[in-house]
Amino acid sequence: AQSVTQPDIHITVSEGASLELRCNYSYGATPYLFWYVQSPGQGLQLLLKYFSGDTLVQGIKGFEAEFKRSQSSFNLRKPSVHWSDAAEYFCAVGAGGATNKLIFGTGTLLAVQP
Amino acid sequence: DGGITQSPKYLFRKEGQNVTLSCEQNLNHDAMYWYRQDPGQGLRLIYYSQIVNDFQKGDIAEGYSVSREKKESFPLTVTSAQKNPTAFYLCASSIGLAGDTQYFGPGTRLTVL
Repeated sequence: AQSVTQPDIHITVSEGASLELRCNYSYGATPYLFWYVQSPGQGLQLLLKYFSGDTLVQGIKGFEAEFKRSQSSFNLRKPSVHWSDAAEYFCAVGAGGATNKLIFGTGTLLAVQP
Repeated sequence: DGGITQSPKYLFRKEGQNVTLSCEQNLNHDAMYWYRQDPGQGLRLIYYSQIVNDFQKGDIAEGYSVSREKKESFPLTVTSAQKNPTAFYLCASSIGLAGDTQYFGPGTRLTVL
């Protein structure tokens, strides 16, 4: 069965530092992969998604993610974090088949120090 | 503006009462979804609907019911059979094809007293 693991529950970085959030997935074929961001008490906003093709995907707000099939990973990166990036980040994989069901990871809560 | 609306934002109910959460979208999307979010558990799928008058159970459907009488609307009823209903509930919609982006509403926080 498909699954997603986000090993880091909570990460703290300093403003201006680089960021990498880890995501590992379990899926038999080429997956659909997504990163969403959630501010406290709000819905989720899509940052970026991978379907096929170029393994380095650019998203909104300066984020990017790299699909590595050999490592079953889809890590999210940002070269310089801003205080407004403090939020919870969710990785998700498409469940496969004809539906558009998503399997979500448990999330990584990002705190940004001044 | 196109989007997904959920109402109310906060909902308080007494134990043993059924409660219905509203979800409306004007994106002309065929598929709609209900998720439950608890701290440290990510999002878990309750029900989803690929098309009007059709819906399927997700991973945690027990104690919940839905209807899909209109394309724009997908209300969720939390019944008294749901053992631990206090949570944050998120509705989403998508075109419906595999791999499509799901767009989320702002959520409803349900507290059962």
